[in-house]
Amino acid sequence: DTAVSQTPKYLVTQMGNDKSIKCEQNLGHDTMYWYKQDSKKFLKIMFSYNNKELIINETVPNRFSPKSPDKAHLNLHINSLELGDSAVYFCASSLASHNEQFFGPGTRLTVL
Amino acid sequence: DAKTTQPPSMDCAEGRAANLPCNHSTISGNEYVYWYRQIHSQGPQYIIHGLKNNETNEMASLIITEDRKSSTLILPHATLRDTAVYYCIVRAVRGSQGNLIFGKGTKLSVKP
Repeated sequence: DTAVSQTPKYLVTQMGNDKSIKCEQNLGHDTMYWYKQDSKKFLKIMFSYNNKELIINETVPNRFSPKSPDKAHLNLHINSLELGDSAVYFCASSLASHNEQFFGPGTRLTVL
Repeated sequence: DAKTTQPPSMDCAEGRAANLPCNHSTISGNEYVYWYRQIHSQGPQYIIHGLKNNETNEMASLIITEDRKSSTLILPHATLRDTAVYYCIVRAVRGSQGNLIFGKGTKLSVKP
């Protein structure tokens, strides 16, 4: 069973569209995260959620919004996609906010 | 910005020990040293972490100097599957400083 899963694995879309990436963890963890890895391979945290509460919000555009319907899911919604949003997005989870994090396989987003 | 310095790349012969150094001269007393790795096209994977004592698990050993200003990750018998980018991360126990801040890492190439 996959611990942290993401869908879709690949996403190709046009500029200006709105898209969502889904993330699910079956580890019973309390905290979930979203990271962005750009073309230069730098991996940066975007958001984290703990018990449905946003506890970290790095300087990302407000076109990006995390939504957590329950403790096992943290979806990433992106409005008005731009070319610079092309990247690999990783979801992660941890038992608590300072425990080791388990990462999903990533979603490669390409904006044309 | 990452608080660690790592060599950009290293080679290791298969079956030999891989010793990956990391400098973290500005580490604070409440900060741990974490190691993650990212195999090509996969999400990062937790390896090990420590505060001041040496640590060992099934994947690796972590040696932290007495002044805590540097550490070494040791893969005792490297295999081809250990080829990856290895990230050394300094991480606080509390607050937003508990974020994982990824630097550029060390690209380890294990060669037959």
